[in-house]
Amino acid sequence: SQKIEQNSEALNIQEGKTATLTCNYTNYSPAYLQWYRQDPGRGPVFLLLIRENEKEKRKERLKVTFDTTLKQSLFHITASQPADSATYLCALGGGDSWGKLQFGAGTQVVVTP
Amino acid sequence: GAVVSQHPSWVICKSGTSVKIECRSLDFQATTMFWYRQFPKQSLMLMATSNEGSKATYEQGVEKDKFLINHASLTLSTLTVTSAHPEDSSFYICSALTGKGHNQPQHFGDGTRLSIL
Repeated sequence: SQKIEQNSEALNIQEGKTATLTCNYTNYSPAYLQWYRQDPGRGPVFLLLIRENEKEKRKERLKVTFDTTLKQSLFHITASQPADSATYLCALGGGDSWGKLQFGAGTQVVVTP
Repeated sequence: GAVVSQHPSWVICKSGTSVKIECRSLDFQATTMFWYRQFPKQSLMLMATSNEGSKATYEQGVEKDKFLINHASLTLSTLTVTSAHPEDSSFYICSALTGKGHNQPQHFGDGTRLSIL
């Protein structure tokens, strides 16, 4: 069955450092991958989308890589700030699942001043 | 832009009650909406895909008669949890697509916390 794995342990990081999150998947050939941010008690907010033929995408302090050979995506937050503290979800989509996404459980990031 | 409003944000009710949750796209027309449920520390689990003017498509294992979905207009989808029981307590979230491309992001509401006593 399709499986998406994100590190379940919270990532504690000091302000100003780079946070790197991992999303691994198995039994899946996604056409694209998306990253979302979710704050407690709120719905996810879209951050970035990367397609299967793209290696890297950037948006301000965020960077995403997508390696379809390793079946892995890395999500980087550079110059992290306490306001970046949240849970980050990766989601895979494509194929015959039009518009539908399969989500990982997310990784909590805690940025301390 | 692309704001999705979900109402109510919190519901507490007795076992056996039916509960309706609304999902509205405020500044765009959503031909497709999705309904998820999420348990603490777990991923969003897709329950069903809702298309305007047609029957919802439910994921395997989701009871259609238990979770009634209606997408009567391009800006409103509703989820009704019928005869709710304590095991139905969860965080229910809707999302919407703004266009027709298949790789576009989903825009989420802020969820409804449902607690059945």
